[in-house]
Amino acid sequence: NAGVTQTPKFQVLKTGQSMTLQCAQDMNHNSMYWYRQDPGMGLRLIYYSASEGTTDKGEVPNGYNVSRLNKREFSLRLESAAPSQTSVYFCASSEAVGQYEQYFGPGTRLTVT
Amino acid sequence: KQEVTQIPAALSVPEGENLVLNCSFTDSAIYNLQWFRQDPGKGLTSLLLIQSSQREQTSGRLNASLDKSSGRSTLYIAASQPGDSATYLCAVYTGTASKLTFGTGTRLQVTL
Repeated sequence: NAGVTQTPKFQVLKTGQSMTLQCAQDMNHNSMYWYRQDPGMGLRLIYYSASEGTTDKGEVPNGYNVSRLNKREFSLRLESAAPSQTSVYFCASSEAVGQYEQYFGPGTRLTVT
Repeated sequence: KQEVTQIPAALSVPEGENLVLNCSFTDSAIYNLQWFRQDPGKGLTSLLLIQSSQREQTSGRLNASLDKSSGRSTLYIAASQPGDSATYLCAVYTGTASKLTFGTGTRLQVTL
């Protein structure tokens, strides 16, 4: 089992460019999440998907869109990248929302210049 | 709003020492608390999950306790090894917010 995988590992964008971060899990989990990690701020939830076909905003959704493509895949799109979106992005999954352990992917390090 | 604090921010201990990492949270209405390990430039690895109805969980040399009423959790690491060097994060799941709230972590260095 690969667990949670993310692509790409690194990305550099210019301000205004767009890109999609991909995430996939092979644990048959229902719920998936996108977080960003910034120095001194801890991880913050951007969006989550409680189950296939549903998505909800987290703490910091502005500037992002998500798509739950199927049960395995959950993508995060930056339509017009800004320097404030320079961060490390983590995808996670769990059996369901609530009292279940979350498993994290290796992260995507994004720099916006 | 739930806030999670981890003290100290950094800790250096010699190999073989037992140590305790602390995590405190402001809203005791949590569903569970999870401890993670993060190696530099890597993702998070789940270490222990404690449900709100539990007092502690153990895995190998790790023992995590939870005192919901006082808003505290501790992660005890026995007989520390250089391979334990990493950042340790705690996170609480608060049902009203439907999300994990993370602390900023304790960076642990175990020296030879």
